[in-house]
Amino acid sequence: DGGITQSPKYLFRKEGQNVTLSCEQNLNHDAMYWYRQDPGQGLRLIYYSQIVNDFQKGDIAEGYSVSREKKESFPLTVTSAQKNPTAFYLCATKRTGLYEQFFGPGTRLTVL
Amino acid sequence: GNSVTQMEGPVTLSEEAFLTINCTYTATGYPSLFWYVQYPGEGLQLLLKATKADDKGSNKGFEATYRKETTSFHLEKGSVQVSDSAVYFCALSVDSNYQLIWGAGTKLIIKP
Repeated sequence: DGGITQSPKYLFRKEGQNVTLSCEQNLNHDAMYWYRQDPGQGLRLIYYSQIVNDFQKGDIAEGYSVSREKKESFPLTVTSAQKNPTAFYLCATKRTGLYEQFFGPGTRLTVL
Repeated sequence: GNSVTQMEGPVTLSEEAFLTINCTYTATGYPSLFWYVQYPGEGLQLLLKATKADDKGSNKGFEATYRKETTSFHLEKGSVQVSDSAVYFCALSVDSNYQLIWGAGTKLIIKP
């Protein structure tokens, strides 16, 4: 079944701990994105990757890190340096040559 | 620079009412335009798109026409249902290698 998987759907962590959010896709799309969404707010771009082993910072990269070792996977680490990590995190993919992005179901992170 | 402006929500309508959600844009070149929908607790889904002036995108009874003269891409539906309650995002892209530029989202509430 083709698609984008984000796991887990809900994640709880204590303040000061790093946490890694998973994003996997089997759409064979080259580009992958991470967005943050706060309640009642729009989307803000954290990081994106257009090709394996390369990625760029988005608008709010501070306190986050990513890797892109495989085409299918683009994990996001929320570090203890991120001041307000509680949010809904969305992963998206895009096929080369097309404009639209496709989204996963999201992970809701709560830092206690 | 490139930007998208959506009407503020929430927009509250009764079932079977006519819906318009306004979206205007500023862009260099000739952008592609999109509407996405986000149901509560879920990721975004592409609702419709238009890639050139005067194109009409349509899906699930929703329509939007790319108006270059007014730089607009308003979302319309003739008769809304309770199940249409969601947040709707307008977005643009000026290049297939470019990021999507997002509007702030408009929350739609349909009352039975």
